[in-house]
Amino acid sequence: QSVLTQPPSVSGAPGQRVTISCTGSSSNIGAGYDVHWYQQLPGTAPKLLIYGNSNRPSGVPDRFSGSKSGTSASLAITGLQAEDEADYYCQSYDSSLSPMNVVFGGGTKLTVL
Amino acid sequence: QLQLQESGPGLVKPSETLSLTCTVSGGSISSSSYYWGWIRQPPGKGLEWIGSIYYSGSTYYNPSLKSRVTISVDTSKNQFSLKLSSVTAADTAVYYCARQGYDFWSGLDYWGQGTLVTVSS
Repeated sequence: QSVLTQPPSVSGAPGQRVTISCTGSSSNIGAGYDVHWYQQLPGTAPKLLIYGNSNRPSGVPDRFSGSKSGTSASLAITGLQAEDEADYYCQSYDSSLSPMNVVFGGGTKLTVL
Repeated sequence: QLQLQESGPGLVKPSETLSLTCTVSGGSISSSSYYWGWIRQPPGKGLEWIGSIYYSGSTYYNPSLKSRVTISVDTSKNQFSLKLSSVTAADTAVYYCARQGYDFWSGLDYWGQGTLVTVSS
């Protein structure tokens, strides 16, 4: 059971827009900690997709965007492409257990129909 | 280009200690801007943070694993290591090492390719 809650799966047709939610609590996202998002293609290591809630590393298409409000965060993907089919994880920090305690969401599998 | 590479045995017996090393190339592990972390992923499951270390040796661990985990750093070799004691089948996973920003803003921006460790007799 993950500290951050994500939907197990989402799907969308090519060209559509999908969002993935990440729900936390007052000890993590709600405490003001930043949220990061990772994309994991099958059989590969996770890749940083969004950092600092809404920033894209160099090379990440602007079809990917992140936002944060209150105790939740969201990842939006517009203009869905077949290559976006992957697992997506949110990550933040939680102060209830120890300083700088890294926590992940359970992951969301994106299927491109 | 920074690269991280995990190494160590792919098979560990139950009750023994799992030992992995992450070698960093293309950058210095002694940078004051980063922590260096271990994350694992059981087959078919999600990511679990194990712990992180600063070049000075300062560490912090996942409370659920803390009693069994030791992370150390060797700045002369540009490496950091993981030891997980008293392993069981539940510790079977792909183990990743990653670079983690010193602040809360940066995320884990570089990852190793991962190494599968199976716990079995």
